Amino acid sequence: ENVLTQSPAIMSASLGEKVTMSCRASSSVNYMYWYQQKSDASPKLWIYYTSNLAPGVPARFSGSGSGNSYSLTISSMEGEDAATYYCQQFTSSPLTFGAGTKLELK
Amino acid sequence: QVQLQQSGPELVRPGASVKMSCKASGYTFTSYWMHWVKQRPGQGLEWIGMIDPSNSETRLNQKFKDKATLNVDKSSNTAYMQLSSLTSEDSAVYYCARGRPHYFDYWGQGTTLTVSS
Repeated sequence: ENVLTQSPAIMSASLGEKVTMSCRASSSVNYMYWYQQKSDASPKLWIYYTSNLAPGVPARFSGSGSGNSYSLTISSMEGEDAATYYCQQFTSSPLTFGAGTKLELK
Repeated sequence: QVQLQQSGPELVRPGASVKMSCKASGYTFTSYWMHWVKQRPGQGLEWIGMIDPSNSETRLNQKFKDKATLNVDKSSNTAYMQLSSLTSEDSAVYYCARGRPHYFDYWGQGTTLTVSS
């Protein structure tokens, strides 16, 4: 299976700080998808087809990458962005998720 | 609006089976694959499998081939997942999610399964 490795596992950022998290795939993928999950809530689609923001996602978020390496960036950290972010691929079966990056407010 | 309403929490004995549901509304049920995802307490997300409600074609993660059975009832726009031979390792929150088809745009609220004697 295609293993997705997210880094860092945990990070903290101050308000207004730029944030970048990474997702590396063991095999090349066509697209990467990202979800945001807050405590005791269901995951929410955040970014699809690598760089498209889901409806309602603030424009300070962006996604990029290709092949084996993808990233999610927040241009300026807001308090509401504190959450766990998961990457996901389905270029090959089984569909796999990364272990998540937990983003905390410093 | 699209909604996926999942059944309530379950407390089940080890060795037993459980069947949980996911009722879809706000869209044409047979037009989108339905996926199921497992999340153990404090852990990440794990894909169980998916079902095409139009013809009940099912694709399972091989890890769950002896554990999970997926089916649908088109008359009630409901997807079901049955888990068998339950152990403590099956204690988790289980989500249904609408497939697009390679990602999930809507998620249910989750069903919490606790396996305990």
